[in-house]
Amino acid sequence: DQQVKQNSPSLSVQEGRISILNCDYTNSMFDYFLWYKKYPAEGPTFLISISSIKDKNEDGRFTVFLNKSAKHLSLHIVPSQPGDSAVYFCAASRNTGGFKTIFGAGTRLFVKA
Amino acid sequence: GAVVSQHPSWVICKSGTSVKIECRSLDFQATTMFWYRQFPKQSLMLMATSNEGSKATYEQGVEKDKFLINHASLTLSTLTVTSAHPEDSSFYICSALPGGNQPQHFGDGTRLSIL
Repeated sequence: DQQVKQNSPSLSVQEGRISILNCDYTNSMFDYFLWYKKYPAEGPTFLISISSIKDKNEDGRFTVFLNKSAKHLSLHIVPSQPGDSAVYFCAASRNTGGFKTIFGAGTRLFVKA
Repeated sequence: GAVVSQHPSWVICKSGTSVKIECRSLDFQATTMFWYRQFPKQSLMLMATSNEGSKATYEQGVEKDKFLINHASLTLSTLTVTSAHPEDSSFYICSALPGGNQPQHFGDGTRLSIL
């Protein structure tokens, strides 16, 4: 039961352009959404998050958009830089019945110089 | 920022041995820590939730006698893979919850290779 889905396993973007990573979820009980960045052989690093009561959160080059009616969120990176090349995990969490975070399968972003 | 240290980063051992992985929160106390397993090109799969001073909560399909979790203090949780076999080879990652609505912070993971 994949509650959090990242349907694009990879994405290639030219340096300086916008990167858009998408994520869909099925459980309406999720109340907090996060994006993590992961390099090979390292643990994920927290990037940005958004509460279910908001539809946008911005932090520098990173913006997360949440569309609750569509159960969809996206991460925008602009401008993209070669150092952004990594695997990006979308995650959703809920605090009902105990805290739990569910991760998507990840999208590998390649930013070409 | 919150730092989580995981040790060892890589371990290779013979089939049948037990392996202990440590997860420490270095600059905060964590009443809750999580253990994940990641197969190549797949997502992080939650194995169990480790609560300080109480028994861990295991996800469905995870053998609690196989993967022993101890959360003896507010800064340390351990995962012991008992009688490890080649199918246990994987990347194991821990995370800790700082509290106060902060997100989980992850360790750098442990690559376990069972020969």
